[in-house]
Amino acid sequence: SAVISQKPSRDICQRGTSLTIQCQVDSQVTMMFWYRQQPGQSLTLIATANQGSEATYESGFVIDKFPISRPNLTFSTLTVSNMSPEDSSIYLCSVEIWTDMNTEAFFGQGTRLTVV
Amino acid sequence: AQKVTQAQTEISVVEKEDVTLDCVYETRDTTYYLFWYKQPPSGELVFLIRRNSFDEQNEISGRYSWNFQKSTSSFNFTITASQVVDSAVYFCALSEGLFSGGYNKLIFGAGTRLAVHP
Repeated sequence: SAVISQKPSRDICQRGTSLTIQCQVDSQVTMMFWYRQQPGQSLTLIATANQGSEATYESGFVIDKFPISRPNLTFSTLTVSNMSPEDSSIYLCSVEIWTDMNTEAFFGQGTRLTVV
Repeated sequence: AQKVTQAQTEISVVEKEDVTLDCVYETRDTTYYLFWYKQPPSGELVFLIRRNSFDEQNEISGRYSWNFQKSTSSFNFTITASQVVDSAVYFCALSEGLFSGGYNKLIFGAGTRLAVHP
């Protein structure tokens, strides 16, 4: 299994500011994923982050708004830039881990962001 | 294109009732994974099960059971003798293919909110 730590767990931010969310994994992983869950909604993938390369963004998400860093195999950050109330969501990081010849997706506990 | 449909938005049951959560998926790939996750009010995602496309065996884990039917593209989840602690939002998810030996991104359904009343 994997232990994923996300910081902060929650924050209230002023519109126009930026927030950087950290994701730390207790083992080395190739791929890390960032998801957004808007209030009462399902999870939507923002981007996939591989170490040593640019993140791959999903349709509707751009690097200027959600820059991602992946400096090593255990850590990633997601920044929510120039925030507006519409960015109020839970942001989750996820990793894939091989266990018993199968792969499993683990999630951090999420960062609950409120923009006022 | 990939798609996961959870038609039941909310389900309300009384404790000890059995309840089935439906999940229908669409994919063009022959290799894929299906997942169920539980999201309690605290917000974290709790992994329940993963099933790959080549394994149609149903699975039972305590009060939980899953019925995977490729013929109808469904992966339904049943809770037997429901308990108040089962109250949560349940998500079904699909991942196509294999990427660098693992899975690709997850496509989530809209989720089903289950309320179990005493």
